[in-house]
Amino acid sequence: DQQVKQNSPSLSVQEGRISILNCDYTNSMFDYFLWYKKYPAEGPTFLISISSIKDKNEDGRFTVFLNKSAKHLSLHIVPSQPGDSAVYFCAASESNFNKFYFGSGTKLNVKP
Amino acid sequence: ETGVTQSPTHLIKTRGQQVTLRCSSQSGHNTVSWYQQALGQGPQFIFQYYREEENGRGNFPPRFSGLQFPNYSSELNVNALELDDSALYLCASSLVAGAETQYFGPGTRLLVL
Repeated sequence: DQQVKQNSPSLSVQEGRISILNCDYTNSMFDYFLWYKKYPAEGPTFLISISSIKDKNEDGRFTVFLNKSAKHLSLHIVPSQPGDSAVYFCAASESNFNKFYFGSGTKLNVKP
Repeated sequence: ETGVTQSPTHLIKTRGQQVTLRCSSQSGHNTVSWYQQALGQGPQFIFQYYREEENGRGNFPPRFSGLQFPNYSSELNVNALELDDSALYLCASSLVAGAETQYFGPGTRLLVL
């Protein structure tokens, strides 16, 4: 039972353009959403998060948008850089944070 | 401050055997979670330990068990290995239970033949 879904396994964008990564979830009890970035042979690294009381959170080139009615979140990267090429996972948790559910990941390739 | 480390990096076992994977959390982090990541999938939550007690568990059978020690290290034990247990096993530590940010180790790649 996949409670967090990333339907695009891969995305390719040109350097300098916007990257938009999407994530859908089914559990309305999720209170907190995170994006992680993973390079080969490394563990996932926390990137940005958003709580369910907000609809947008921004950190430099990274912005996460949350649409609770649609149970959808997205990560925008502007401008995209070749170093952003990695696998991006979205994750969700209820308010107790004792269990995190991850999507299957989207592999982003930013072309120079 | 050292990061999260895991050992071994790679491991090959045969079906039916038992395996122990180890994780050393960041200093001061009293919560550790373990995940299984199959090829092409996202990490699947196995369980979380907080102050040496299990604090949450995913949909994994009892042959997956864990231990957490006072020195910020922890173990994942898997008995009666099956072929489908072949995966990358990740541990993640956080400062306290209920912290939203986890710090992941590089993982242990387990192959069951």
